Amino acid sequence: EAQVTQNPRYLITVTGKKLTVTCSQNMNHEYMSWYRQDPGLGLRQIYYSMNVEVTDKGDVPEGYKVSRKEKRNFPLILESPSPNQTSLYFCASSSTWTSGKETQYFGPGTRLLVL
Amino acid sequence: GDSVTQMEGPVTLSEEAFLTINCTYTATGYPSLFWYVQYPGEGLQLLLKATKADDKGSNKGFEATYRKETTSFHLEKGSVQVSDSAVYFCALNYGGATNKLIFGTGTLLAVQP
Repeated sequence: EAQVTQNPRYLITVTGKKLTVTCSQNMNHEYMSWYRQDPGLGLRQIYYSMNVEVTDKGDVPEGYKVSRKEKRNFPLILESPSPNQTSLYFCASSSTWTSGKETQYFGPGTRLLVL
Repeated sequence: GDSVTQMEGPVTLSEEAFLTINCTYTATGYPSLFWYVQYPGEGLQLLLKATKADDKGSNKGFEATYRKETTSFHLEKGSVQVSDSAVYFCALNYGGATNKLIFGTGTLLAVQP
């Protein structure tokens, strides 16, 4: 089954404790990205990757890091989480990225609470 | 900048009622337009899309037409079911390096039996 998986689905942590949210897709997609979803703000792009070893900042990258060492994986790293990073996070992927017409496939989401 | 505006929710309807969720956009170019649906506890799924003006996207009884003259992409369904209860997001995308989906804030639909 074609899918995007994320782990963990739920996470409670404390300020300053480094964490990683994993994202993996089994569709051989070139493009992957991370969004956060906050009430009243919709979804906002954090980082994106056009291919292996090619990543760049989205609209809200502060406090986050990413890496793309393999095509299927795109982990999101919070080096020193703060309460304002409490949010619902989604990973997405698509086969290509040039036209904007392609369907983007989303993971099930990771709900993060930073105390 | 580019943006998407959706009608405020929640929208509460009885089963078999007609549904319209309004979506308008502001864009400097000619983006593709999307409706995504988020069922409780799940990620977003593509519901339908339209990639150029006057295109109509349709899926599962839902329809939306890309109207350049009114910069709109309203979602409609003739007869809703309880299983349609979800949050609906309108979005646009130009592609390019960021391939960023620009989302509206979402509209919660609650369908009562």
